[in-house]
This record gives sequence, C-alpha cells and structure tokens, in this order.
Amino acid sequence: ELKVEQNPLFLSMQEGKNYTIYCNYSTTSDRLYWYRQDPGKSLESLFVLLSNGAVKQEGRLMASLDTKARLSTLHITAAVHDLSATYFCAVDMGNTGKLIFGQGTTLQVKP
Amino acid sequence: GAVVSQHPSWVICKSGTSVKIECRSLDFQATTMFWYRQFPKQSLMLMATSNEGSKATYEQGVEKDKFLINHASLTLSTLTVTSAHPEDSSFYICSALYGYTFGSGTRLTVV
Repeated sequence: ELKVEQNPLFLSMQEGKNYTIYCNYSTTSDRLYWYRQDPGKSLESLFVLLSNGAVKQEGRLMASLDTKARLSTLHITAAVHDLSATYFCAVDMGNTGKLIFGQGTTLQVKP
Repeated sequence: GAVVSQHPSWVICKSGTSVKIECRSLDFQATTMFWYRQFPKQSLMLMATSNEGSKATYEQGVEKDKFLINHASLTLSTLTVTSAHPEDSSFYICSALYGYTFGSGTRLTVV
C-alpha cells in the first residue's frame, strides 16, 4: 500500500527565514506533485516532478525529487506572509492518475 | 488552459436528500476524472475514478450506491450523494489530467 508522509505537519516561521518540508513515500512512483491550499479553497498546483533529481523553482519555493530515497522536498527561501497556506505533496499511484496525498503541512509565516 | 469548472461551490441540504455535484472540463476532453473528499483539517482522500462511457471505479471503503458517479460525456462528470447524512458533510473536489488540474471544490453541509 502506498503511503505518503509529510513532515512537519505544522510550521510556524518568521518572515525572512528558510525552511524545508519533507515528503516521504513508500513505493516507487515516477510522478510527484506539490500543491498549495488556502483555507476554504481547492488545490493550486505548484510543481510536478517527473524524474530522479528533478528540481523546479518558482519564486521563493523550490521542489526536488530523489526517487531512490523516495523523498521530495519543498524548500522555502526568505519566507513572506503570503506563503502562509497548507502544502500537500501527492504521489501518483502507478502512474494511473490516482493521487495519494500526504497529510499536509500548514505553514504560518509571521511578520 | 486546462480549466475544470465545478458546481455548486457550496450546498446545504437536509438529511435524507440527494445532492448532485458537477465537474466540467472547459477547454479539453477528459476521458478520466477523479473525485476526492476532504474532511475539515484533513488531507484529501481519493473516492473514485470516473471513466467516460463506463462504470466508475471506487476505492476501498467508498459506498458506490451512496456516491453515484456518471461520466456521460467527454467534458462532464457528476457525483451524486444519495440519502445524504451529516457524516457526508465534507469538501468534494474533482480532478482531471492526472493531477494537473483540480476543480474549485464543493462544500457540502448536511443538516
């Protein structure tokens, strides 16, 4: 059974600081997603990582994938308040389009 | 591009009634859509896979007679929650294109 685990589940940080969210998954997958969810809203797609060693960056967020370690990271650089949200990683189950989600990491950036 | 429109955004219904949620792909054809459910402060759980022109496939533990899925055209999938009860209150979200795009979600409250 594919399991996806994120840590930390809650992260409170000061503006300007850096931090990393980790996403571990239990079985082989070639497709890993990162999403952002604001309260009461649906998911916003941030990154899709398709191969080992893939790194993608958008603004203050950078995601990477290590398929051998079954680990993805979402790194936040110089956090700003607007990044406050819940972040989910999700793994495609056998490249079927069915996604298994991590528990989510709620990020709170304080001024 | 690749927009999925989901309606309604929110609905309140009485216990025992049925509610239909629509998910429509606006600028592409979606032979497959996925339906997820998210309880408050929790992650997303895959409920079922909607296949155009054929029966939906349901994840373990999801009652197929309670959550009726119809995918009658290449642009429309519907989820009907039959005989809704308060425990069905949740945020329902559809997805297409293998996780690349999500609908805006439907918040169902059963009273």
